[in-house]
Amino acid sequence: GQQLNQSPQSMFIQEGEDVSMNCTSSSIFNTWLWYKQDPGEGPVLLIALYKAGELTSNGRLTAQFGITRKDSFLNISASIPSDVGIYFCAGLFNNDMRFGAGTRLTVKP
Amino acid sequence: NAGVTQTPKFRVLKTGQSMTLLCAQDMNHEYMYWYRQDPGMGLRLIHYSVGEGTTAKGEVPDGYNVSRLKKQNFLLGLESAAPSQTSVYFCASSYSPRGDWGYTFGSGTRLTVV
Repeated sequence: GQQLNQSPQSMFIQEGEDVSMNCTSSSIFNTWLWYKQDPGEGPVLLIALYKAGELTSNGRLTAQFGITRKDSFLNISASIPSDVGIYFCAGLFNNDMRFGAGTRLTVKP
Repeated sequence: NAGVTQTPKFRVLKTGQSMTLLCAQDMNHEYMYWYRQDPGMGLRLIHYSVGEGTTAKGEVPDGYNVSRLKKQNFLLGLESAAPSQTSVYFCASSYSPRGDWGYTFGSGTRLTVV
């Protein structure tokens, strides 16, 4: 099946820093989604991308659908303590939704 | 604004015991899903349903059964629990058939099988 490789696995950053993470695959996808999971909770949708090259923002978050359709990127600007959590990418091709293993973000005040 | 509610939140089972995980959604979504989350792995689909009375197998269905007798409820059963089924289980629902508008997830059930 289609595998998603998310990197980095974990990040430790200082409050105020910008964050970049990505999701890559050897397969193409038609839709990319980014979720955030807070401790003890289920993932919550942050951003959805539907077209190659698309760049979409949600507050301090910006995500891009890679031109090759095999990757996607998520950036967080000016991180704050509540950004702590696990960020998951998900790719959809036809009816098959695949999830990455997540990037665990820790923000030090 | 309940969204997707899962019960119980935690459970410890002995090997060979059975149990049912409950999922309820109040958004009138047709599509519902059960996933398991294991360390270092992405969410993996166990079973899903495209409407009341329908169920289908996902990526890792063995050892699990599901039922969707009512549109708002999706039940996940473990017939004879095994330690390999120790995991966090998430129920999700979606408005769109393929989930391309995103899923709404419950808060999870942490299951330990000893």
